[in-house]
Amino acid sequence: AQSVAQPEDQVNVAEGNPLTVKCTYSVSGNPYLFWYVQYPNRGLQFLLKYITGDNLVKGSYGFEAEFNKSQTSFHLKKPSALVSDSALYFCAVLRTGANNLFFGTGTRLTVIP
Amino acid sequence: GAGVSQTPSNKVTEKGKYVELRCDPISGHTALYWYRQSLGQGPEFLIYFQGTGAADDSGLPNDRFFAVRPEGSVSTLKIQRTERGDSAVYLCASSFDGARGYGYTFGSGTRLTVV
Repeated sequence: AQSVAQPEDQVNVAEGNPLTVKCTYSVSGNPYLFWYVQYPNRGLQFLLKYITGDNLVKGSYGFEAEFNKSQTSFHLKKPSALVSDSALYFCAVLRTGANNLFFGTGTRLTVIP
Repeated sequence: GAGVSQTPSNKVTEKGKYVELRCDPISGHTALYWYRQSLGQGPEFLIYFQGTGAADDSGLPNDRFFAVRPEGSVSTLKIQRTERGDSAVYLCASSFDGARGYGYTFGSGTRLTVV
């Protein structure tokens, strides 16, 4: 069965520092992987996806994610964090044979001014 | 519309009552999804519509939950005999090309509280 794991409930980073939000996956076959962000009182917003091709995927708001097949990881990264990046981040995987996403439990990112 | 609209934004109901939650997807989006997000958890899949039909309802937790999309646009999630454990944020999402494309566009959700 397809699943994703987000090992950190909370990540704190100083403004201007690089940030990483971790995600590992478990799938059979080639994975379709996604990152979403959830701001307070707003719906989840699509950040980026990996389907195939380059292992480094660039997305919205300066975020990028690196697909690593050997480590079964899809970590979200940004070179320089902004206070406005503070939000809840979800990793998700497309379930094989289905047309819906399985979401991780989320990581709360706090960027400290 | 410009985005996915969900109404009401908040709903408080008594245990045992019936509730309906509405989702108005982006115009032209044929795929529509319902998810449930409990506190501290990620969204949990409930049901997926392609057009008017429920293509996958494997996530519905029991027969108290039902959803319809009679004209292939607006969808209603119906919960009978509500229980306190049903309290959660119910999220609707729509997509032009399903989850394989650019994923979903989510609404802001309906926060259901069963007292």
